[in-house]
Amino acid sequence: EIVLTQSPGTLSLSPGERATLSCRASQSVGTIYLAWYQQKPGQAPRLLIYGASTRATGIPDRFIGSGSGTDFTLTISRLEPEDFAVYYCQQYSGSLPWTFGQGTKVEI
Amino acid sequence: QVQLQESGPGLVKPSQTLSLTCSVSGVSISSSDYYWSWIRQAPGTGLEWIGYIHGSGTTHYNPSFESRLIISMDTSKNHFSLKLTSVTDGDTGLYYCVRSHLRPSLRYFDIWGQGTQVTVSS
Repeated sequence: EIVLTQSPGTLSLSPGERATLSCRASQSVGTIYLAWYQQKPGQAPRLLIYGASTRATGIPDRFIGSGSGTDFTLTISRLEPEDFAVYYCQQYSGSLPWTFGQGTKVEI
Repeated sequence: QVQLQESGPGLVKPSQTLSLTCSVSGVSISSSDYYWSWIRQAPGTGLEWIGYIHGSGTTHYNPSFESRLIISMDTSKNHFSLKLTSVTDGDTGLYYCVRSHLRPSLRYFDIWGQGTQVTVSS
């Protein structure tokens, strides 16, 4: 099983600041089999990024995904009030089971 | 517009069987293009992929659940189901049904149901 470790656990920032979230895999997930999701209280996770760097439909360009192999990053270039949420990475490589990181909470 | 909706009892007694159904609209679950999965979210374990069923009926389960899990589908009702036997407190959580594509580069979870809370308690 591929273990995904996210850091930091919590990120305390202000609107307008830049957020940098990390996701590290215990073994390579390739260059494209990594997704990021955003979850707000009381809601299901929402797909933000797939293929490590491709934004899903309707996702603003302030959300930037990068990385490959075992190290991935989600950057939110300028935080908007609606961006304060929990973010999860997930690998969907050929190595089942598909797994998630434990999440990073971005708080004010 | 594709939508998924979970349903099932919110309370299950320990050692009993948890049964959930996911009703799908906007796409046929028998399509060969998709996997239909269950995902659980619990405070101690975060998001866990439980298993999937493909439109052909092929299944694949997370080894953590494999010995007590069955995922099935009813194409006439366009829904798929989860049965988890011998539940314990550790099975308490929010259960989501989700869709992903067959193509390897597209197997992320693009459509989620709203989730259904399940509590295991006597």
